[in-house]
Amino acid sequence: KQEVTQIPAALSVPEGENLVLNCSFTDSAIYNLQWFRQDPGKGLTSLLLIQSSQREQTSGRLNASLDKSSGRSTLYIAASQPGDSATYLCAVQTGANNLFFGTGTRLTVIP
Amino acid sequence: GAGVSQSPSNKVTEKGKDVELRCDPISGHTALYWYRQSLGQGLEFLIYFQGNSAPDKSGLPSDRFSAERTGGSVSTLTIQRTQQEDSAVYLCASSLGVGRGLLSGYTFGSGTRLTVV
Repeated sequence: KQEVTQIPAALSVPEGENLVLNCSFTDSAIYNLQWFRQDPGKGLTSLLLIQSSQREQTSGRLNASLDKSSGRSTLYIAASQPGDSATYLCAVQTGANNLFFGTGTRLTVIP
Repeated sequence: GAGVSQSPSNKVTEKGKDVELRCDPISGHTALYWYRQSLGQGLEFLIYFQGNSAPDKSGLPSDRFSAERTGGSVSTLTIQRTQQEDSAVYLCASSLGVGRGLLSGYTFGSGTRLTVV
């Protein structure tokens, strides 16, 4: 069964720092990997989606990479801002009804 | 619509009452999912609809929970005789479903926060 792990579980950084969140998964047979952001008590906002044949995707200050063979993905956030504070979830999809979520990284950006 | 729409955004109900939560998926998305997230916990899969196929109900926690999807679009999740442990955020998601749709991922709504008092 697919297992998705995120490291670190929590991260605090001062405003302006660049940071990297890590995601690893055990089964490389995936269709895509998504990075989501979740604010407390709210829904999930999709940040970036990387299809299985792709290596990276970029949106603004965010860059996500995918190394499917090694089962790893990273989310790079440049010039962090207090508004980036949230929980970040990665998820891999292995079928139409098979979406496996990581354990999440709670990010706090300190002004 | 442009995104997945859920209503209400917040619902407070008394223990024992029935509640209905609504999800309006992205137009053209054949797959629809319900999840629930209790405070401080991960997402728990509840039910999956794909086109006109029979839904996958394997995640429903009890027979007090049911869901339907009318006309392949809007879905309603119903919880009968609510209990305090039903308090959670209920999330709906949709996707293009099978085939090449598997490459496109899920889009989630903003959720319904249910509080049973």
